[in-house]
Amino acid sequence: GQQLNQSPQSMFIQEGEDVSMNCTSSSIFNTWLWYKQDPGEGPVLLIALYKAGELTSNGRLTAQFGITRKDSFLNISASIPSDVGIYFCAGPNNAGNNRKLIWGLGTSLAVNP
Amino acid sequence: DADVTQTPRNRITKTGKRIMLECSQTKGHDRMYWYRQDPGLGLRLIYYSFDVKDINKGEISDGYSVSRQAQAKFSLSLESAIPNQTALYFCATSDLQAGQETQYFGPGTRLLVL
Repeated sequence: GQQLNQSPQSMFIQEGEDVSMNCTSSSIFNTWLWYKQDPGEGPVLLIALYKAGELTSNGRLTAQFGITRKDSFLNISASIPSDVGIYFCAGPNNAGNNRKLIWGLGTSLAVNP
Repeated sequence: DADVTQTPRNRITKTGKRIMLECSQTKGHDRMYWYRQDPGLGLRLIYYSFDVKDINKGEISDGYSVSRQAQAKFSLSLESAIPNQTALYFCATSDLQAGQETQYFGPGTRLLVL
């Protein structure tokens, strides 16, 4: 079945550094979603991508939908302590009529002030 | 007020006990989901419901059951809790807008089975 591979699994960075993480799949996705989970909370949608090649920003966050439709990237510029959390990529399961989301395992980000 | 609420937020129970986790939403969404989260394993789907009369098993439904009492309510039951069901449980809702879907999560229920 469809799977999403996220890397890196975890990152520990200094405040002010830029961050880059990615999500890849062996099959095509028509939508890529990036969620963030703050400690002790549920995931919240950051950015949604709907077209191959699309580049979308949300403040200091930028995400890209890969041209092959098999990958996506999330970049965070000038990281701050509140960027700490787990970042998940997700995409709808295109098999059959039930559009469940397939989730990556997450990238855990720690920011040293 | 939160759009998706879960009760309880924390629960400690003993092996063999029956427990129920509740989820309510005020978003008016038809679709609701139950996930569990374990360290390093991401979010795994337990059950999902696309409307009041529709219940579907997810990837890890064994040992769990659900009830969709109304559009706004979706409860998860552990008939006989076991220690490896210790996890963080999330309820989520979604709807389709112009063919696109976004899931909205509750704050989670932390469950410890002794």
